[in-house]
Amino acid sequence: EAGVVQSPRYKIIEKKQPVAFWCNPISGHNTLYWYRQNLGQGPELLIRYENEEAVDDSQLPKDRFSAERLKGVDSTLKIQPAELGDSAVYLCASSLGGGSGGNEQFFGPGTRLTVL
Amino acid sequence: AQSVTQPDIHITVSEGASLELRCNYSYGATPYLFWYVQSPGQGLQLLLKYFSGDTLVQGIKGFEAEFKRSQSSFNLRKPSVHWSDAAEYFCAVGPGFGGSGSARQLTFGSGTQLTVLP
Repeated sequence: EAGVVQSPRYKIIEKKQPVAFWCNPISGHNTLYWYRQNLGQGPELLIRYENEEAVDDSQLPKDRFSAERLKGVDSTLKIQPAELGDSAVYLCASSLGGGSGGNEQFFGPGTRLTVL
Repeated sequence: AQSVTQPDIHITVSEGASLELRCNYSYGATPYLFWYVQSPGQGLQLLLKYFSGDTLVQGIKGFEAEFKRSQSSFNLRKPSVHWSDAAEYFCAVGPGFGGSGSARQLTFGSGTQLTVLP
């Protein structure tokens, strides 16, 4: 079974440029999460989708960040324009459902973003 | 609000020695507790999880963890560390059964970096 797929794995951009990350969750997983992991820190949730609906985006900086999950499968996270402080690893995870907090989340390898 | 504290930023042990990584949590109800491991350039892999029942939980790679409600702790242990265990370890807490639907995310600690000496 394929795991969570993310691309690109690495991205280097200059500040004020746009950037997009793509995630394909495990087949059949209807819950998808985007996390940001700063250096030396644990992941922090940005947004959670149940199918195509964003049900928790309270931590997403909406002035520059946007996300979509068309058709309830793969998802794209965008930053426009990027700032120096956005340098981090962006992790995507998926789980079978949000029915209880105990559903295991499976993580992708992440996209390491460097903003110069 | 839920929170997780991992007091040890970095731990060094010799190969074959025992290991204990500390995790303390704050949560208003019965939590779900997790330990993840992250190797360089990799995503997080679940080692074990606690939902209810037996407070001593067995996981993959020979790891175990013990839930102590009175101490709000969920420490990770391994009796004999292997060089391949060198990685960063994250403890996480999520809402337990009956938790609100708006809080189904995991809250992670800041991680403990494990170095294994030959």
